[in-house]
Amino acid sequence: SQQGEEDPQALSIQEGENATMNCSYKTSINNLQWYRQNSGRGLVHLILIRSNEREKHSGRLRVTLDTSKKSSSLLITASRAADTASYFCATEGSGGSNYKLTFGKGTLLTVNP
Amino acid sequence: DAGVIQSPRHEVTEMGQEVTLRCKPISGHNSLFWYRQTMMRGLELLIYFNNNVPIDDSGMPEDRFSAKMPNASFSTLKIQPSEPRDSAVYFCASKSPSSGNTIYFGEGSWLTVV
Repeated sequence: SQQGEEDPQALSIQEGENATMNCSYKTSINNLQWYRQNSGRGLVHLILIRSNEREKHSGRLRVTLDTSKKSSSLLITASRAADTASYFCATEGSGGSNYKLTFGKGTLLTVNP
Repeated sequence: DAGVIQSPRHEVTEMGQEVTLRCKPISGHNSLFWYRQTMMRGLELLIYFNNNVPIDDSGMPEDRFSAKMPNASFSTLKIQPSEPRDSAVYFCASKSPSSGNTIYFGEGSWLTVV
């Protein structure tokens, strides 16, 4: 079963605008990661936030984590056409299966020039 | 770094044929994953190897699927016999203790079974 569920499923914005994607999950986690997938390509790791962190930044990316609500958000600021891709959250569970990353179905982001 | 290398990139085969997908993980990575991606089910973990040993194969859909890792630099995922519902993108990914919790994906093998 899917652990992370992204919202919205699809998002279309203009270049220069900010894009926010959300992820909800069900069980306790060690960390939550965001990955990007360009059409026809593999997934690329963007950023990881640990369960004891609330916010993390990397360049134009900002990730928040609310473990009480079991949710995370990914904000891409000043979006560019090259940001067009699918974005996936992935959770690493705590306990015995902590090797396992469980992915959501992704948000398809389209940035229009 | 060459990254995770998968072959073939694309394969079209007829129902009933055997399909073998290959993966070379990043050198020094001791964990290897096979994922399957479809529109309906998203990304599913099929099998996880650590130090060449299968640790978790609970995601392998049925006995038609098998995976091996004979050494640290090579893994195969085999489907025999293949069925149209096996059509998907199959990703291999690897990680090392020094890469933390980040896993590195290959470009995928796009399988179509007709």
